[in-house]
Amino acid sequence: SQTIHQWPATLVQPVGSPLSLECTVEGTSNPNLYWYRQAAGRGLQLLFYSVGIGQISSEVPQNLSASRPQDRQFILSSKKLLLSDSGFYLCAWSVQGDEYFGAGTRLSVL
Amino acid sequence: RKEVEQDPGPFNVPEGATVAFNCTYSNSASQSFFWYRQDCRKEPKLLMSVYSSGNEDGRFTAQLNRASQYISLLIRDSKLSDSATYLCVVATSGGGADGLTFGKGTHLIIQP
Repeated sequence: SQTIHQWPATLVQPVGSPLSLECTVEGTSNPNLYWYRQAAGRGLQLLFYSVGIGQISSEVPQNLSASRPQDRQFILSSKKLLLSDSGFYLCAWSVQGDEYFGAGTRLSVL
Repeated sequence: RKEVEQDPGPFNVPEGATVAFNCTYSNSASQSFFWYRQDCRKEPKLLMSVYSSGNEDGRFTAQLNRASQYISLLIRDSKLSDSATYLCVVATSGGGADGLTFGKGTHLIIQP
């Protein structure tokens, strides 16, 4: 069966510090991968999606970037965090439609 | 204009009652539709896909009206464990490859 791992679960970072969140999927090949953010009081917003290694599409202009160095690895990064980057970050994968989410990373930028 | 709109609630419903949620979407090119459930501070989990002909899964029934761009979820014989936020979700591509658009969710509280 397929599983998705996302870490860390919780992160507290100062403004201006870098960020790296990692997500890996097991039990499937060539999945579509996604990064979402859920800010307080707001809905889930798609940040990036990837249909293959090295292929990244960005949905919104922002302070973040994503990379897919391997088929089942998706990384979300920032060089300098802003206060507005705080939120609940969710990685997801899909094959043929249904999307399944990782447990999420709760990021607080102080 | 919001792409996916839901009544945020909360809906306070006695255990055993039937409750219905509605959702509207603005993009007429949307092809796939889903309901997700999200418990407090947890990740969303797929509850069910929504098909044009309507579909049922146990106590849950989902319906889609493409003409009105409207999706519904009906929960019968509600349980305390049904308390959660229910997210209405649409995808513009059939395979959802370019991601999903989420509503902000409807908060349901089942009361004993």
